[in-house]
Amino acid sequence: AQKVTQAQTEISVVEKEDVTLDCVYETRDTTYYLFWYKQPPSGELVFLIRRNSFDEQNEISGRYSWNFQKSTSSFNFTITASQVVDSAVYFCAPISGYALNFGKGTSLLVTP
Amino acid sequence: DAEITQSPRHKITETGRQVTLACHQTWNHNNMFWYRQDLGHGLRLIHYSYGVQDTNKGEVSDGYSVSRSNTEDLPLTLESAASSQTSVYFCASSEGSLRTDTQYFGPGTRLTVL
Repeated sequence: AQKVTQAQTEISVVEKEDVTLDCVYETRDTTYYLFWYKQPPSGELVFLIRRNSFDEQNEISGRYSWNFQKSTSSFNFTITASQVVDSAVYFCAPISGYALNFGKGTSLLVTP
Repeated sequence: DAEITQSPRHKITETGRQVTLACHQTWNHNNMFWYRQDLGHGLRLIHYSYGVQDTNKGEVSDGYSVSRSNTEDLPLTLESAASSQTSVYFCASSEGSLRTDTQYFGPGTRLTVL
């Protein structure tokens, strides 16, 4: 089974600050996929990124960037110049079996 | 635009009643999933399907059933609702591979069992 640890339960930042959400994963598989999802206060689950174990290139999408490092089993997520609309719970999740294995997530609060 | 919808969005029912939650996707995805989300438990898989007429149990399937008669729909039935089934239910779909493809979620159904 694969699982992740998101050690930061809650993070609070002021708008325009950069913030990094940590994700450490455990797996015995040589091939695996990791995902990040966002759950805003409205409750829906929004897909952000999918990464497979063969691709260690960092990914950037607008203000969002992801750093995947197999050597440290980490798949961290950085928001640059945070905005109030970024306030949400963020989940890093592997697929374990056929299910997304969401951990407890990191709750991010961005204040004006 | 293609999408995945759930209905109702909110439901209050009584213990012992049968309840059916609907999930409909227009992406023509092969795979569909039902999860429940509870504080302290994260997201847990109830049932999944990788095609028409296929259904499989997930981690917390007791008290729930699904049927897949077409590609677009995977209704979730609670045979006899219990207070422990009060939760937020999410339906999801993915295109091809159960193990690797991105799962896209519906907006969720908040179910309260009194």
